[in-house]
Amino acid sequence: GAGVSQSPSNKVTEKGKDVELRCDPISGHTALYWYRQSLGQGLEFLIYFQGNSAPDKSGLPSDRFSAERTGGSVSTLTIQRTQQEDSAVYLCASSLAPSGRSTDTQYFGPGTRLTVL
Amino acid sequence: KNQVEQSPQSLIILEGKNCTLQCNYTVSPFSNLRWYKQDTGRGPVSLTIMTFSENTKSNGRYTATLDADTKQSSLHITASQLSDSASYICVVPDYGGATNKLIFGTGTLLAVQP
Repeated sequence: GAGVSQSPSNKVTEKGKDVELRCDPISGHTALYWYRQSLGQGLEFLIYFQGNSAPDKSGLPSDRFSAERTGGSVSTLTIQRTQQEDSAVYLCASSLAPSGRSTDTQYFGPGTRLTVL
Repeated sequence: KNQVEQSPQSLIILEGKNCTLQCNYTVSPFSNLRWYKQDTGRGPVSLTIMTFSENTKSNGRYTATLDADTKQSSLHITASQLSDSASYICVVPDYGGATNKLIFGTGTLLAVQP
């Protein structure tokens, strides 16, 4: 594909509902990241997938957050029982290799803006 | 705690003028430093990636500098254009852990006015 895509672009939900956010990384990219960007804040790491390895979930803020990556490609971030503080832009990024220990560029999707009423 | 701090928080300049954005980091050990540009409503886009041995790196009208001794980086924008209006984010990988997390600064919001 041309780049990282995310859907939906916007999501408005009621407090207590579950939401699923989708990320389609660039084809062939083995590393996939989820970040959260709250208003006026820097991007906050949530979870990282690398190939078939166990994901790094150390950034997930609570057990209401979970993510999967099926077949090493598409990823879904699920937020259960949403709270108002979950309102943010959720960004997905992918790279050819793990971006920390190399200079491989992370390519970001446009994000999903989540609003919890 | 590994941190990345940027200044100024926001900046307004006139079209055609130059500006310099600052980034200080405390991340250790250090691997590389990245500058990203994020347009409103879009995901960040990489401008430069600088490794430990690089002092200066240019990408068109953008020039990044790195001083690994003082743990400072700057992004200089020359002859600014209206399209340069965006948030500029400094990013350093958290190389010391078992993960491959990037630590993002809060960004400098640049507004270029005609």
